[in-house]
Parts: sequence; structure tokens; C-alpha cells
Amino acid sequence: AQKITQTQPGMFVQEKEAVTLDCTYDTSDPSYGLFWYKQPSSGEMIFLIYQGSYDQQNATEGRYSLNFQKARKSANLVISASQLGDSAMYFCAMRGGTGANNLFFGTGTRLTVIP
Amino acid sequence: AAGVIQSPRHLIKEKRETATLKCYPIPRHDTVYWYQQGPGQDPQFLISFYEKMQSDKGSIPDRFSAQQFSDYHSELNMSSLELGDSALYFCASSYEQGPEAFFGQGTRLTVV
Repeated sequence: AQKITQTQPGMFVQEKEAVTLDCTYDTSDPSYGLFWYKQPSSGEMIFLIYQGSYDQQNATEGRYSLNFQKARKSANLVISASQLGDSAMYFCAMRGGTGANNLFFGTGTRLTVIP
Repeated sequence: AAGVIQSPRHLIKEKRETATLKCYPIPRHDTVYWYQQGPGQDPQFLISFYEKMQSDKGSIPDRFSAQQFSDYHSELNMSSLELGDSALYFCASSYEQGPEAFFGQGTRLTVV
């Protein structure tokens, strides 16, 4: 069974600084995908970044990068040059292995960017 | 770019009533997923469809049913509503069950 763990209920970061949001996962499937989503107070779920289990390089999307450490089963999100608009809930999610296409979510981390 | 459209955005129903939530996926996307997010909770997978056939089933109550139509839009039908059904319901879509699933803005259902 898949499991996603986010151990940081809340994080604070100074504007323009970088911040790392932790995510560890557990799965017995050799093929899986890892995702990060942002959920602002308005409620929508915004896709940020994706990492496939066989990808050799860490995924990057603008100010977002995913620090993928397969042996440690961790997929931390790094946000560089934080902006006030980055304040939101951030969910790490994993897509199951063969035949399972739905996402399993962690409990989320609430990030607050301080001016 | 076109996104996933969900309607209605907000819905208030009384206990034991029925509700129908609609989802219009991104054009060319053939896979639809439904998730339920309770207050302060993470989203929980309910059900998914690929090419109009149910592909996976999660923690969807028997009181709920869903289908995907020929134009790939999907509807989630909820009957005998309970207070605990109050939640944000998300629809997400992808192409050929691909890895990137894009979410709609959600339907906030309140059962009173």
C-alpha cells in the first residue's frame, strides 16, 4: 500500500528566501510518480511539479524543484525566492504503481511567507 | 489554456437530499478522477474513469455513483446526503491516464 508522510504541519519563511517542504513516501511498487500541489485559501488544487520514479534528474519548474532521493524515499519540494503569493497549503502526493492511477495525498504543510 | 471546469462551485443541500456535481475535463483529456476533501483534511480518492469506463474505485460510499459520458464529461451523483458529506469535491483530468492530473476548482458542498 502507498503512504505519503508530511511531517511539517506548518512552515514559515521570509520573503525572498528559499524553503524546503518535506515529503517521504512508502511503496512496494517499482514504478510510481510523485507530485506536489499547492492549495491556496481559495481552495483550488494547483499542480506544481512531477517526478517519475525512473527519472534520473530532479524535476524543476521555475522556482520549484523536487529533491528526489530514491534510496531515502523522499521527495522534498524546494521553493526558491519565496513570494507572498506562495502562502498556501502544499500537498505531496503519490500515484500508485501499475494499474493504479489515482493519487494518495499527504496531510499537507501550510506555508506562510513573511514580508 | 482551458482548464478543468466544475459546476456548480458552491452547493447547499439538506440532509437526505440528492446532489449532482459536474466535471468537464481539459479538451482531449479522456481520464477523470473524483476526490473528496473534508474540512482540514487531505483529498481522498473516490472514483475514476478512462474512456467512459470506470477504471479505479476508492472510498466512494454506496450512496454515490458516477459516470463519464461520450463527451468525456463526468457527473457525480450523491443521494441521501448526510452532514458528513460536506466537503470540497474535486475533479481532475489527464490524458490516457497519464501522470499529470490537473484539478478543477472544486465544488464546495454543504449539507445542512
